[in-house]
Amino acid sequence: DAKTTQPPSMDCAEGRAANLPCNHSTISGNEYVYWYRQIHSQGPQYIIHGLKNNETNEMASLIITEDRKSSTLILPHATLRDTAVYYCISTNTGKLIFGQGTTLQVKP
Amino acid sequence: GAGVSQSPRYKVAKRGQDVALRCDPISGHVSLFWYQQALGQGPEFLTYFQNEAQLDKSGLPSDRFFAERPEGSVSTLKIQRTQKEDSAVYLCASSSIPPGQSSGNTIYFGEGSWLTVV
Repeated sequence: DAKTTQPPSMDCAEGRAANLPCNHSTISGNEYVYWYRQIHSQGPQYIIHGLKNNETNEMASLIITEDRKSSTLILPHATLRDTAVYYCISTNTGKLIFGQGTTLQVKP
Repeated sequence: GAGVSQSPRYKVAKRGQDVALRCDPISGHVSLFWYQQALGQGPEFLTYFQNEAQLDKSGLPSDRFFAERPEGSVSTLKIQRTQKEDSAVYLCASSSIPPGQSSGNTIYFGEGSWLTVV
């Protein structure tokens, strides 16, 4: 499974879009990009996943570059409840290997 | 409930005691995963079941850790002779299809069992 790189922390103003980057430059053709988040004291929560095309659901949008070497998770209108650790994972086995993630702090 | 259920939610064990952690996956889910999460770290893979078969146990840290899923539904993670370094959150997750199949598969996590060894 490809290794992913994320910034350790980011801040975002409440109501603004939060754009969380992820680098996966060694990703192979059949590996999906998954995003999970973990709010303190809770289990990881699935957000979104994609292979090549951009994806959108009720929680977020996932933008994958054409060469698939990086992606961005977009939370369109961040709220205080979006404060969490966000994990970007690439895998073709379904076995999720978590890194350190990005700690997103949404500020009022 | 429709989610992954884990029990106990909190467990304090004396060093050397055996503990058993239970996971009830989402009904009908084929795949079941166990993860260990130390304080301040991301979850680390322990083991994986497809139905009752344990297909991957590469992440189990020692032979004191044992997992089973005898009927392909409920799973138990057992830790024998607990040590202080076993203190962590133990997360269970399940998925409706086996890993590696096309379309990607969404894995759902429980809230975890918090183990403290004193």
